[in-house]
Amino acid sequence: EPEVTQTPSHQVTQMGQEVILRCVPISNHLYFYWYRQILGQKVEFLVSFYNNEISEKSEIFDDQFSVERPDGSNFTLKIRSTKLEDSAMYFCASPIAGMGTDTQYFGPGTRLTVL
Amino acid sequence: DAKTTQPTSMDCAEGRAANLPCNHSTISGNEYVYWYRQIHSQGPQYIIHGLKNNETNEMASLIITEDRKSSTLILPHATLRDTAVYYCIVTTIHGSGNTGKLIFGQGTTLQVKP
Repeated sequence: EPEVTQTPSHQVTQMGQEVILRCVPISNHLYFYWYRQILGQKVEFLVSFYNNEISEKSEIFDDQFSVERPDGSNFTLKIRSTKLEDSAMYFCASPIAGMGTDTQYFGPGTRLTVL
Repeated sequence: DAKTTQPTSMDCAEGRAANLPCNHSTISGNEYVYWYRQIHSQGPQYIIHGLKNNETNEMASLIITEDRKSSTLILPHATLRDTAVYYCIVTTIHGSGNTGKLIFGQGTTLQVKP
């Protein structure tokens, strides 16, 4: 089964600091997604990224968030000035080739803890 | 996206079939039914999806009623490793104003017991 990888697995930061979460999606797909899950709550959509541009974002994805593709294989999610409520698991996802964009492989997640 | 309703939790004996129901009474003609699951603290995992016909793969079977207002995910021989939260998601076909985002509800927590 193809793998989506994420680093780091756990990130601890102080409130107000910038964090960058990284993901290596399944290769050769133009679509890419970020989700988050606050402890004990449901998985929430953050942003979809298509061909190097944001195609859709949720209300959660405010000006503090940004998504980039610094090179051909890596994606990053940056939170500019973290808040306590940003503590959550952050998952990236890639569509499964040949099965439509709603059929997605998820990475193992990065647990972000903001102190 | 159409709203789905699932029971909060279910138990199943190991080795038995687990039948997880989902109601999606407001589903429209161009919407698919997707099932994902999330084992504790891991990323969600795709299981199966369908439009109107029943579907089967190596993980599970999906039974969709003729009126498409409900569906059932069947794990034919549940194991302890199938203990997870199971999500039923209804979503439009990509391209119909949908970028492929998945909207998760609370899901059903399935506890497989020895």
